[in-house]
Amino acid sequence: GAGVSQTPSNKVTEKGKYVELRCDPISGHTALYWYRQSLGQGPEFLIYFQGTGAADDSGLPNDRFFAVRPEGSVSTLKIQRTERGDSAVYLCASSLNSGGYNEQFFGPGTRLTVL
Amino acid sequence: AQRVTQPEKLLSVFKGAPVELKCNYSYSGSPELFWYVQYSRQRLQLLLRHISRESIKGFTADLNKGETSFHLKKPFAQEEDSAMYYCALERSGNTPLVFGKGTRLSVIA
Repeated sequence: GAGVSQTPSNKVTEKGKYVELRCDPISGHTALYWYRQSLGQGPEFLIYFQGTGAADDSGLPNDRFFAVRPEGSVSTLKIQRTERGDSAVYLCASSLNSGGYNEQFFGPGTRLTVL
Repeated sequence: AQRVTQPEKLLSVFKGAPVELKCNYSYSGSPELFWYVQYSRQRLQLLLRHISRESIKGFTADLNKGETSFHLKKPFAQEEDSAMYYCALERSGNTPLVFGKGTRLSVIA
């Protein structure tokens, strides 16, 4: 079946602009994660959804970052007043969350470049 | 706070040589440990996890709680093993992963 998909694959924007990044999880996966990967670093956690609600948003760096998952499936990560330091690959992952350990499946990522 | 350390940014070995990618972690509880791999132009994918005690593509990893380590090993490296490898920790089921910075493995023919 289809894996996690993310759009766009690349996004170039100017400092101060607003951007939205989309994640389509695997069908039936109730858990959805956003990570950010800067150059030379491993992925860093941003926010985690269980169903429609954000179960943990402790990784969001500041209030310019916001994410939603209104129907418990597709999620959108929103970044206001982008800064050059926001440039990174934004990864989305989903998992079943059926109790115990559930593998997180990653999308291909969105490469965000803020000029 | 949880932390995962991968001391080597780059590891180059010859084909057929043994490989060991190091991973150390800090966490006060009993975490679950994983190795993820990213091949060129592919997405991040799970290689193996400590609770399954599997050997995947010839790789194994043993959790050493005394040394807080989870090193990845393979006795004979292959060219197709060349990739970026990330060690990751999970506090408990279905919680966010904490990743190390990754080690790039280059297997030379």
